[in-house]
Order: sequence, then structure tokens, then C-alpha cells
Amino acid sequence: KAGVTQTPRYLIKTRGQQVTLSCSPISGHRSVSWYQQTPGQGLQFLFEYFSETQRNKGNFPGRFSGRQFSNSRSEMNVSTLELGDSALYLCASSFLRIDTEAFFGQGTRLTVV
Amino acid sequence: EDKVVQSPLSLVVHEGDTVTLNCSYEVTNFRSLLWYKQEKKAPTFLFMLTSSGIEKKSGRLSSILDKKELFSILNITATQTGDSAVYLCAVEVSQGGSEKLVFGKGTKLTVNP
Repeated sequence: KAGVTQTPRYLIKTRGQQVTLSCSPISGHRSVSWYQQTPGQGLQFLFEYFSETQRNKGNFPGRFSGRQFSNSRSEMNVSTLELGDSALYLCASSFLRIDTEAFFGQGTRLTVV
Repeated sequence: EDKVVQSPLSLVVHEGDTVTLNCSYEVTNFRSLLWYKQEKKAPTFLFMLTSSGIEKKSGRLSSILDKKELFSILNITATQTGDSAVYLCAVEVSQGGSEKLVFGKGTKLTVNP
């Protein structure tokens, strides 16, 4: 079966712009979680969506938001981009909750200039 | 604040060596500890540990959890160049009726021929 698909793979934006990243989970998976990975901070949890509802949220400013659609696809949005938002953004899908069967996508590499 | 610390941050060994990677944690509402291997972008699942003292094994990799001392180790025997990767430790914690993963910064393992 198809894995987790993230689009786009690479993105370059300028400061102040906004960006929307997409994640299509494995078919049948209802939980999608998002992570930011930077060399300095490692992988940090952004938020998790389950059945179109945000179930959990990490310690990120309100500029980071997300949503999940009825087909479980999820988007995350970052507004008013800052240089420090440059990172690899990973999403992971799982059937019910974050557990052993969390499969990660290849990520979106965002560069803010 | 939940914290996961991995050591060493990087490690260089020769093929055939045995390595031990460490992960310690301080979290509230522990549910499980997971190990992932990240070679390029998408972390891939290795083990989930929930009980102390029970070794999980997969080929040359094994892992064990000590819930009293709050740490886990990942052992790789007879290392191969294909084991070169970043190994991530994550702790699943309960928060507000759902769960999230708290990641360490990873151990970068380089296996030289």
C-alpha cells in the first residue's frame, strides 16, 4: 500500500510569507501528527489530528496551524514566516494513535530566506 | 517539561564493532519508548518498549528499557556500513486525553568499512 505522502518536497519562501504543507496518510489511518526537525532542536512535536480534530498541540506559536479533512489528509500552515522556521517538516500517520505503527513521510524541506 | 536525552550525539565505528546507544528521559505520564532509524528523511520504526527488563530483538539490533532508572539502550552488534544513520529515541506521553511523542536529538552513527 502507498506510504505517507508529503508535498511539496522542497520549498523556498521569503520572510513574512505564509506556506501550506500537505500530508496524505496511509489509507485507513486516521491520526496525522506533524513534527519540525532542525539540527539544533531535533524533532519537535507540532500537533496531532484525529478525525478532523486537533487532539494535541506542542509548544509552537500560533503562527503554526493545521487542519485535517474528512479523508484524513492534513495540511499545516505557517504564517508570517521567520528565518528560524527553516526546517524539515515531517508528518506521521497511524491508525488510531501515535504508537508503533506511526509511519513517517519523506518530509518537506522549507527554507526561509 | 518533558525531556529525552540521547548519548552520545555522534559515534564513529568500524564494521564489525558493537555499539550501545543511550536514551534517558524525564517525562510525566510515560506510555512507551520508541526507537527509530533515520537514514535520509523519513524515520523508520525499530522498537517499542513498554515494560522494564524485557529485551526486544530484531536481527543484530536489540533494545531494553529500565523504567526505574528512566533509560533505554539500543545495541547493534556486528555493525555494517548500512547501519550508518541517525538513531532517534522518542517517548510517548499522555497529554490531555491523547498522546504525543517527545524525541531526543538523536545519535548519529557512522560505520566505516
